[in-house]
Amino acid sequence: AQSVTQLGSHVSVSEGALVLLRCNYSSSVPPYLFWYVQYPNQGLQLLLKYTSAATLVKGINGFEAEFKKSETSFHLTKPSAHMSDAAEYFCAVAAVEYGNKLVFGAGTILRVKS
Amino acid sequence: NAGVTQTPKFRVLKTGQSMTLLCAQDMNHEYMYWYRQDPGMGLRLIHYSVGEGTTAKGEVPDGYNVSRLKKQNFLLGLESAAPSQTSVYFCASSAGNGNSPLHFGNGTRLTVT
Repeated sequence: AQSVTQLGSHVSVSEGALVLLRCNYSSSVPPYLFWYVQYPNQGLQLLLKYTSAATLVKGINGFEAEFKKSETSFHLTKPSAHMSDAAEYFCAVAAVEYGNKLVFGAGTILRVKS
Repeated sequence: NAGVTQTPKFRVLKTGQSMTLLCAQDMNHEYMYWYRQDPGMGLRLIHYSVGEGTTAKGEVPDGYNVSRLKKQNFLLGLESAAPSQTSVYFCASSAGNGNSPLHFGNGTRLTVT
């Protein structure tokens, strides 16, 4: 079964520091990959998506992610964290077994310290 | 433009009671989904629909039923609620399959005692 693994349920960074949230997927074919963000008491919002056009994908709010097929990874980064980035982040893959419906990772809560 | 609207926002049920969660989207999307979110488990797909009058099972369909009588509405039913169904439920819609992004509602927090 296709799956997504997010390493680290909680990540804490200082304001201005690099943000790195890790995501690994299992798929036998090049997948569609996504990062979503969830702010408290809200639904998920799309940050960015990979659809094979380019390996480095830029998203909203200064985030970007790099698709590395050899490592089956799609890590999310941001050069400089802002307090407003504190949220929960989810990596997701379109799962062939469910007709390309999204399967989500367990999520990573990002805390930004002042 | 409201996007995806879920009602109710909160609900408390006793074991064995039934209820229906309502989801409405105004984006003319073909695809609609119901997910549940539990701590440390991310979002898991309960049921989905690829168009009016069609539904299909996702990862965790047991104990739930759905209906898509109108394109803009997707209903999730619990016939006999159990404490294991305590969760936050999210509805989402998308224009297409695979690489089309999902648009989410703000969730329904359900507690079953």
